[in-house]
Amino acid sequence: DSGVTQTPKHLITATGQRVTLRCSPRSGDLSVYWYQQSLDQGLQFLIQYYNGEERAKGNILERFSAQQFPDLHSELNLSSLELGDSALYFCASSEQLQNSPLHFGNGTRLTVT
Amino acid sequence: DAKTTQPTSMDCAEGRAANLPCNHSTISGNEYVYWYRQIHSQGPQYIIHGLKNNETNEMASLIITEDRKSSTLILPHATLRDTAVYYCIVRVNNAGNMLTFGGGTRLMVKP
Repeated sequence: DSGVTQTPKHLITATGQRVTLRCSPRSGDLSVYWYQQSLDQGLQFLIQYYNGEERAKGNILERFSAQQFPDLHSELNLSSLELGDSALYFCASSEQLQNSPLHFGNGTRLTVT
Repeated sequence: DAKTTQPTSMDCAEGRAANLPCNHSTISGNEYVYWYRQIHSQGPQYIIHGLKNNETNEMASLIITEDRKSSTLILPHATLRDTAVYYCIVRVNNAGNMLTFGGGTRLMVKP
């Protein structure tokens, strides 16, 4: 158990809809990272927050957004969903910015029909 | 991040040591080598990391060559539960400090 909690575990929704994925980091971790893993692609970095502030952005679509709240939990919002957004979405957290391992949750499996 | 090269797949007999190689010939002086594994769509699991010295923990050993251009992850006594995709990642200390995953090595431990 990594200590990172993601909810829900599974989500099925229709094209055009909007969903919110939630992540609770390990106790004491200030950094939160979001990754996407599709069948035909590897783990792709989406976005990182540190202590409530956006720190780095990867290949995140404009239809996607995220935030980190004062209690350090994070949410990833996906809107105007398309079939191609079906994927595993992982959240990870780390203690500090440099040289601390990322610890991943077990992901949310999103299916867009 | 420096690019890493790993074999696509490897087999290992149960109970034997699994030695997973990784080339990172363009690694810079401040870049760490990290190893993660992913077991069948679960979240990636942290294994070990190092800068230039060899490292060992309860899961594995990491051997980094003196020129730091390659490394080997050693699972001393592989079990069937070690079957997974293993990722070697070179991580730079930048503002984001994220990990960039490549294709990894699919390790199959066979009875």
